[in-house]
Amino acid sequence: EADIYQTPRYLVIGTGKKITLECSQTMGHDKMYWYQQDPGMELHLIHYSYGVNSTEKGDLSSESTVSRIRTEHFPLTLESARPSHTSQYLCASSGFGTGSSEQYFGPGTRLTVT
Amino acid sequence: QKEVEQDPGPLSVPEGAIVSLNCTYSNSAFQYFMWYRQYSRKGPELLMYTYSSGNKEDGRFTAQVDKSSKYISLFIRDSQPSDSATYLCAMKQAISSNYQLIWGAGTKLIIKP
Repeated sequence: EADIYQTPRYLVIGTGKKITLECSQTMGHDKMYWYQQDPGMELHLIHYSYGVNSTEKGDLSSESTVSRIRTEHFPLTLESARPSHTSQYLCASSGFGTGSSEQYFGPGTRLTVT
Repeated sequence: QKEVEQDPGPLSVPEGAIVSLNCTYSNSAFQYFMWYRQYSRKGPELLMYTYSSGNKEDGRFTAQVDKSSKYISLFIRDSQPSDSATYLCAMKQAISSNYQLIWGAGTKLIIKP
């Protein structure tokens, strides 16, 4: 069973605050991803990692940063939240080597910046 | 123009009906095609995975790929209220991790009891 966790599930925060969205997986997957999902829109990849100390920016320009110090942990940080950051953030991981394209998703964090 | 087009719906059908969900795409290099299901307030989960053209069946679900028309479909037989969810298609050019998934916007499906 896929186990990937995201906290918090819901967050309402004021403009200018620094926030970190947590994502952890217990499957030992090497690849992890952050997506942004808005209603009626496709998932947009904002960051990904192929392993420890590896991070890359995705297709969608983002003011967030990520780190991958441990295999199981892939936090996303917004240094100064703005109303335009209001969205659903989904974390995902995928399996070993290049043979698996299946991505396992966490439940998401719904962020509202006021 | 988006690389992957998907009708957002909602698509509302009675219980027991056959459901057809579709995506069209523009990049002929796509070879791997996936359907994910997303329940409200949950992350997407993989339903079906097909390579290249043809059909693949899994229980009540059938995935169909027509590469000549750049068109993929997901059929659900004997639809149940528990099938009510948003269905997202996703595709990529190659199995390599160097290629990222390209997603459709999702179709919201409602099965009426």
